[in-house]
Amino acid sequence: AQSVAQPEDQVNVAEGNPLTVKCTYSVSGNPYLFWYVQYPNRGLQFLLKYITGDNLVKGSYGFEAEFNKSQTSFHLKKPSALVSDSALYFCAVRDINTGGFKTIFGAGTRLFVKA
Amino acid sequence: DTGVSQDPRHKITKRGQNVTFRCDPISEHNRLYWYRQTLGQGPEFLTYFQNEAQLEKSRLLSDRFSAERPKGSFSTLEIQRTEQGDSAMYLCASSPGPGTEDEQFFGPGTRLTVL
Repeated sequence: AQSVAQPEDQVNVAEGNPLTVKCTYSVSGNPYLFWYVQYPNRGLQFLLKYITGDNLVKGSYGFEAEFNKSQTSFHLKKPSALVSDSALYFCAVRDINTGGFKTIFGAGTRLFVKA
Repeated sequence: DTGVSQDPRHKITKRGQNVTFRCDPISEHNRLYWYRQTLGQGPEFLTYFQNEAQLEKSRLLSDRFSAERPKGSFSTLEIQRTEQGDSAMYLCASSPGPGTEDEQFFGPGTRLTVL
């Protein structure tokens, strides 16, 4: 069965510092991996995805994520955090070998960036 | 605005009543998804449509829940005989297809409160 774990409920970082939001996954086959962000009173927005190829993927707003197959991780990173990055971040996985489109989301990590 | 829209945005109902939610996906998207999100959790997959065909349905979706997408455009999610445990945010998302790797575009959600 597919599953996603986001081990940190909350991440605090000072503006200008690098940030990492952690995600590990479990699928029986090969994964498609996604990061979404949810700002207050707004719907979830797509940030980036890993499908195949280069393990480092770049996305919106300066975010990037690194796929690590041996550690089954897909951590979200940004070199320099902004206060406006404060939001709720969700990691998600889809098992491409099952042939379906069921996407499993993690419980979310709240990011606080302090000025 | 050409994003995913949901109606109503908020619904308060009494236990035992039926409720229906509507989702209008992005016009050229042929895939449509319903999720449920409770406080502190990520979205939980409920069901998925490819055009008008409902292709996958979660075990979370009891017999009281039904979803339709009659013409492959908008979709409705009906909950019969609502229970307090149905209180949640119901999210709709769409994606263009035809590949399996496409990200989802989410609507703002319908918040259901069952008294």
